[in-house]
Amino acid sequence: AQSVTQLGSHVSVSEGALVLLRCNYSSSVPPYLFWYVQYPNQGLQLLLKYTSAATLVKGINGFEAEFKKSETSFHLTKPSAHMSDAAEYFCAVSSPNQAGTALIFGKGTTLSVSS
Amino acid sequence: GAGVSQSPRYKVAKRGQDVALRCDPISGHVSLFWYQQALGQGPEFLTYFQNEAQLDKSGLPSDRFFAERPEGSVSTLKIQRTQQEDSAVYLCASSLAPGGAVDEQFFGPGTRLTVL
Repeated sequence: AQSVTQLGSHVSVSEGALVLLRCNYSSSVPPYLFWYVQYPNQGLQLLLKYTSAATLVKGINGFEAEFKKSETSFHLTKPSAHMSDAAEYFCAVSSPNQAGTALIFGKGTTLSVSS
Repeated sequence: GAGVSQSPRYKVAKRGQDVALRCDPISGHVSLFWYQQALGQGPEFLTYFQNEAQLDKSGLPSDRFFAERPEGSVSTLKIQRTQQEDSAVYLCASSLAPGGAVDEQFFGPGTRLTVL
């Protein structure tokens, strides 16, 4: 069975500081991996996805993530945090070999950004 | 609109009442998913449609939950005899291609259900 673990339910950074949100996955087959962001009272928005191409994936709003098979990790980073980055972030995994496979989400990490 | 819409945005029900939650996916999207998001948790899969066919309902928590997509576009999630543990945000997502595992899933804003 596939699963996702997000380390740290809450991360606080100062504006301009590095953002690092951790995600580890468990999968018996090469996974597809995703990061979504959720702002209050809004739906989830895709930040980036890994689908077995380049291991370093660049997404929207300056975010990027690196797939590390040896560490079963897919951590999300951003060099310099903005106030507007404050939101809930979800890492998710899906199997690439099954039609109609849903996303399996982690429990989420709340990012707070202080000025 | 261009995105996925859901209605109502908020629903308060008394325990034992039936509720119906509506999802309007992006026009032309083949795949449609329903997820349940409990407070402080990530979304959890409920059911999947490819056009009008419900191909996976393994995530539905009980036989009180029922979903349909009769014409392959709008979908309704129905919960019968609601219980307090049904309180959650119900998210709908759609994607263009069959399967949806690779294609981006576009999420609606959700319906927040509170059962008193």
